[in-house]
Amino acid sequence: EAGVAQSPRYKIIEKRQSVAFWCNPISGHATLYWYQQILGQGPKLLIQFQNNGVVDDSQLPKDRFSAERLKGVDSTLKIQPAKLEDSAVYLCASRTPMGTQYFGPGTRLTVL
Amino acid sequence: GQQLNQSPQSMFIQEGEDVSMNCTSSSIFNTWLWYKQDPGEGPVLLIALYKAGELTSNGRLSAQFGITRKDSFLNISASIPSDVGIYFCAGQIPNDYKLSFGAGTTVTVRA
Repeated sequence: EAGVAQSPRYKIIEKRQSVAFWCNPISGHATLYWYQQILGQGPKLLIQFQNNGVVDDSQLPKDRFSAERLKGVDSTLKIQPAKLEDSAVYLCASRTPMGTQYFGPGTRLTVL
Repeated sequence: GQQLNQSPQSMFIQEGEDVSMNCTSSSIFNTWLWYKQDPGEGPVLLIALYKAGELTSNGRLSAQFGITRKDSFLNISASIPSDVGIYFCAGQIPNDYKLSFGAGTTVTVRA
């Protein structure tokens, strides 16, 4: 069974530029999550989708971050404009019906 | 999310030694998960625990779901160089599938 796919794996941008990340969850997983992981910390939830609907985006900085999952399968996370403090690894995860989350390899974002 | 305290923060161990780390929470969890993260990769699930008191093994790894439902332990027996990495605990509160993560335990193995 294929795992969670993410692209790109690495991205370097300058502050105030925009960037987008893509995620394709494990087939059949209705719930998808985006996390931000700052160096030296555990992942922090940004947004949770159930199919194509947002379940929880309370931790998403909505002035600059947006996410969508239009067809209830793959998802994109966008940052516009990026700030230095957005440098982090952005992880996508999808969840089994029992609640176990599986993570993708992440996108490492560096904002200069 | 809930606050999880994971300890130790880091450890240097000799190859062949046994390793223990733990995670505590001020809240009751109904699921504990242990993940390992290698540099440049996403967290990989090692062990999932769904019931208080449960003890589960996965090869040289074993983990326990504490009776109080507020703690969990991960043990690695006979450590080898590929055990190097960061180990994260994560918990789910009842009726909510969101994960709260500890800050991680960095394991370095001396050959």
